[in-house]
Amino acid sequence: NAGVTQTPKFQVLKTGQSMTLQCAQDMNHNSMYWYRQDPGMGLRLIYYSASEGTTDKGEVPNGYNVSRLNKREFSLRLESAAPSQTSVYFCASGGRDRYEQYFGPGTRLTVT
Amino acid sequence: AQTVTQSQPEMSVQEAETVTLSCTYDTSESDYYLFWYKQPPSRQMILVIRQEAYKQQNATENRFSVNFQKAAKSFSLKISDSQLGDAAMYFCAYSPTGNQFYFGTGTSLTVIP
Repeated sequence: NAGVTQTPKFQVLKTGQSMTLQCAQDMNHNSMYWYRQDPGMGLRLIYYSASEGTTDKGEVPNGYNVSRLNKREFSLRLESAAPSQTSVYFCASGGRDRYEQYFGPGTRLTVT
Repeated sequence: AQTVTQSQPEMSVQEAETVTLSCTYDTSESDYYLFWYKQPPSRQMILVIRQEAYKQQNATENRFSVNFQKAAKSFSLKISDSQLGDAAMYFCAYSPTGNQFYFGTGTSLTVIP
């Protein structure tokens, strides 16, 4: 039982490049989330998916797109990366009680 | 706007002693959940304790307990018998819906042997 997995663990991009962060969970959860964590700040919600086929904006959605590919997978895409998107990105999934979240190990993204 | 405030960027505690981390939040909702998460240097976010706003009884999980003051919008975390493994960043979080979650800026806890 791997829980929530994220790939890659580290990534360096040049300004303007695109990439997709992958997230998968094996706990049969309906809800999945993407957060970013910046130094001196807590986690901020980018997008969430309450169920397969639905996605909604969180607190800081600009510059990102998401896809809920199936119940297991929820990807985050940066179409044209900017230095302001340098951050650690966390994926999470919601348990039987949606208020309980299980987090992946994070992806450290640097945009130069 | 929903906000969560942790006014103590850093705290320290002697091993085996007790420490309390503070958190306040702003909301107009009457029903919501509050959380404390621990983030050790490994970066993994770990749920420490959860409180449902409609429950008056303070949540407890082993050495971790909360003091939930709904009227004051205060949610502090008490760690008893502190251990070296408790050293981490601690984040307070609030959720009114189970989909939107709001985190504080964190408190870095050092445990002194």
